[in-house]
Amino acid sequence: AQSVSQHNHHVILSEAASLELGCNYSYGGTVNLFWYVQYPGQHLQLLLKYFSGDPLVKGIKGFEAEFIKSKFSFNLRKPSVQWSDTAEYFCAVNSPGNKLTFGGGTRVLVKP
Amino acid sequence: GAGVSQTPSNKVTEKGKYVELRCDPISGHTALYWYRQSLGQGPEFLIYFQGTGAADDSGLPNDRFFAVRPEGSVSTLKIQRTERGDSAVYLCASSPAGSYNEQFFGPGTRLTVL
Repeated sequence: AQSVSQHNHHVILSEAASLELGCNYSYGGTVNLFWYVQYPGQHLQLLLKYFSGDPLVKGIKGFEAEFIKSKFSFNLRKPSVQWSDTAEYFCAVNSPGNKLTFGGGTRVLVKP
Repeated sequence: GAGVSQTPSNKVTEKGKYVELRCDPISGHTALYWYRQSLGQGPEFLIYFQGTGAADDSGLPNDRFFAVRPEGSVSTLKIQRTERGDSAVYLCASSPAGSYNEQFFGPGTRLTVL
């Protein structure tokens, strides 16, 4: 069965710092990859996705992620975070089939 | 347009009772998903509908859980003989036809079983 691991459960950083969240998945076949974000009190929202093509994917709010097939990884990055980026971030994979398999999430706290 | 809506937003029940959780997907979305999110964990897949039929119910934990989508729109997740371990946030998501891999999530129903 597919599994997704996120390396950090909690990350605390200051505004303007750079952020990188790790994500690794287990399935070796064709995958579709996602990062979802959940801001405090809000529902899950899609941040970015990778289906095919350029492995460097740009999403909303200045986030990007890089798909490295040889490493089974899809790490999320943002060069300079803002206080409003405080949220929980989830990596997800949907292969095989349509269902999503999520990682355990990473809580990010950005100090003003 | 309107997003995925779920009712109720919160449900408190006693062990052994029956509960129903409702999901209204985005209008026109043919695929509908249910997930369960326990405290401190990521969402876990329960069941997926394509139209009226359950295309994949491999995530339902046992036969106390059942879901329907009789007209291919609204879906109801039904839990019989609730147990304290069923306490979680139940999330619904929907996808448009031709874009099955991008799922739009609702706000969830927080179920507490006392």
